[in-house]
Amino acid sequence: NAGVTQTPKFQVLKTGQSMTLQCAQDMNHNSMYWYRQDPGMGLRLIYYSASEGTTDKGEVPNGYNVSRLNKREFSLRLESAAPSQTSVYFCASSEEGRNTQYFGPGTRLTVL
Amino acid sequence: GENVEQHPSTLSVQEGDSAVIKCTYSDSASNYFPWYKQELGKRPQLIIDIRSNVGEKKDQRIAVTLNKTAKHFSLHITETQPEDSAVYFCAARPTLSSNTGKLIFGQGTTLQVKP
Repeated sequence: NAGVTQTPKFQVLKTGQSMTLQCAQDMNHNSMYWYRQDPGMGLRLIYYSASEGTTDKGEVPNGYNVSRLNKREFSLRLESAAPSQTSVYFCASSEEGRNTQYFGPGTRLTVL
Repeated sequence: GENVEQHPSTLSVQEGDSAVIKCTYSDSASNYFPWYKQELGKRPQLIIDIRSNVGEKKDQRIAVTLNKTAKHFSLHITETQPEDSAVYFCAARPTLSSNTGKLIFGQGTTLQVKP
């Protein structure tokens, strides 16, 4: 039981490049989330998916897109990376009707 | 929109002393308030939580209190130890997000426990 996994762990991009951050969970959770963490700003929700086939915007969705590929996987795509997207990205999941969110190990992204 | 304010941003205490972190929330109908601990380079992990129908909850050296009237809740750590050093995040779940589990996080408090 790996919990929530994320790939890659580290990534460096040039401005304008695109990439997809991958997230998977093996806990059969319905809800999945993408956050970004910046110093002094806590964890800010980018997008979330309450169930397979649905996605909704969070607090800071601009510049990102998501795909809930199936119940296990929830990916985050940066179409044209900008230096302001330099951050640590966390994926999380939770079980329907329960409150605890379980986080992945994070992806440290630098955009030059 | 919903907002959670957390104070202080940094807190330094001597080993054995108590530490208190406070959060206020804007949505009076929020019904769930978790606290997460994030050690350096690690992922956030839930350490304690409280629901809106409870005023206080304890788990060994940590406790959380909730004042719904004032819309604030606090984390109390007693007999602090060096391994308590970490970043602590509070969060609130707006009532309209109950079926999605969506949380609004505070800005985080860096706690340093000096030996």
